[in-house]
Amino acid sequence: DGGITQSPKYLFRKEGQNVTLSCEQNLNHDAMYWYRQDPGQGLRLIYYSQIVNDFQKGDIAEGYSVSREKKESFPLTVTSAQKNPTAFYLCASGTLNGYTFGSGTRLTVV
Amino acid sequence: GESVGLHLPTLSVQEGDNSIINCAYSNSASDYFIWYKQESGKGPQFIIDIRSNMDKRQGQRVTVLLNKTVKHLSLQIAATQPGDSAVYFCAEIFNDMRFGAGTRLTVKP
Repeated sequence: DGGITQSPKYLFRKEGQNVTLSCEQNLNHDAMYWYRQDPGQGLRLIYYSQIVNDFQKGDIAEGYSVSREKKESFPLTVTSAQKNPTAFYLCASGTLNGYTFGSGTRLTVV
Repeated sequence: GESVGLHLPTLSVQEGDNSIINCAYSNSASDYFIWYKQESGKGPQFIIDIRSNMDKRQGQRVTVLLNKTVKHLSLQIAATQPGDSAVYFCAEIFNDMRFGAGTRLTVKP
């Protein structure tokens, strides 16, 4: 079935470490997005990409990095520069006809 | 825009009543809008969408209204059921997809 897959579902990170969250889609969507969600709050845009090899910063890009080397993949790296990385991270992909979300990765700093 | 990252307002309704959830969007150039439902610990699920050349669209038990003059969206849920309890977000799309603050809907049996 076509869909968007985020992995891992849960991720634990020690302070000072970089971690990479995976997002893969087989929907042939051009656009992909990363959002951060804190408890009881809405979704905030970290980065987005509308085409391979191109991406744009969202509202809260500091401390994060992305790459878009393949249409299917849009990994997000949470760097040690992100001072409060504990959150729920959601990836989405879409076209002009609709958008689909992954099931999320819950990142906890220990 | 400022339609993101705020603590969620809540709406509590009785089972069987109609629910109306409101959302303000920020970019007058946004041309596509989506309502999502999010259950705890899960990703948002698509409910209904509307393009900027329309002011109303109906689905099964749901209706979305768009008022571009005041940059306002609403989601109406008819005969609300306990399974409708969730957080509801609107999203506006132009070059990217931005979300409104969200509303937590609680349905009392």
